[in-house]
Amino acid sequence: KQEVTQIPAALSVPEGENLVLNCSFTDSAIYNLQWFRQDPGKGLTSLLLIQSSQREQTSGRLNASLDKSSGRSTLYIAASQPGDSATYLCAVRPVKAGTALIFGKGTTLSVSS
Amino acid sequence: EAGVAQSPRYKIIEKRQSVAFWCNPISGHATLYWYQQILGQGPKLLIQFQNNGVVDDSQLPKDRFSAERLKGVDSTLKIQPAKLEDSAVYLCASTRQNLGGTEAFFGQGTRLTVV
Repeated sequence: KQEVTQIPAALSVPEGENLVLNCSFTDSAIYNLQWFRQDPGKGLTSLLLIQSSQREQTSGRLNASLDKSSGRSTLYIAASQPGDSATYLCAVRPVKAGTALIFGKGTTLSVSS
Repeated sequence: EAGVAQSPRYKIIEKRQSVAFWCNPISGHATLYWYQQILGQGPKLLIQFQNNGVVDDSQLPKDRFSAERLKGVDSTLKIQPAKLEDSAVYLCASTRQNLGGTEAFFGQGTRLTVV
């Protein structure tokens, strides 16, 4: 059974710091991995999608990497801003048992000015 | 292009009452998902549709939850009767096809409080 773990559960940093969020998954048989952002009381906004054949994806200040064989992904946020404060969720789309995403519990990020 | 639309945004009901949520996916998206997100947890799949057929409902509590997607477009999720533990955010998502490489898009969710 695929399980997704995100570490740390919460993170507080001062504005301007570079930071890394971690995601691990137990079964490397995945189609892709997706990182989402969730603001309080809101839905999920897709940040980055990495296909299983890719090693990384970049969008602005965000960079996500994927090491499928070791079951790990990282989300790197450069020069953090208070507006980056949110919960970040990692999800994998397993090859087995349909194609629905399986999520971690998320990392809640707080960036102080 | 318009995103995934959900309504209502918030709902408060008493236990044992019934409630229904509505979702309209992105135009042209054949696959639709309903997820339940309890506070502090990641979303958990309740049911997946491909057009108007059910692909996976293995985690749907069928004694009280039901969902339909009659014309392969919008969908309704119903809870009857509601329990306190059903308090959660109900998220609808869609993908263009039921293929592995596709990107999922989510709606704003419906926050349900059962008192």
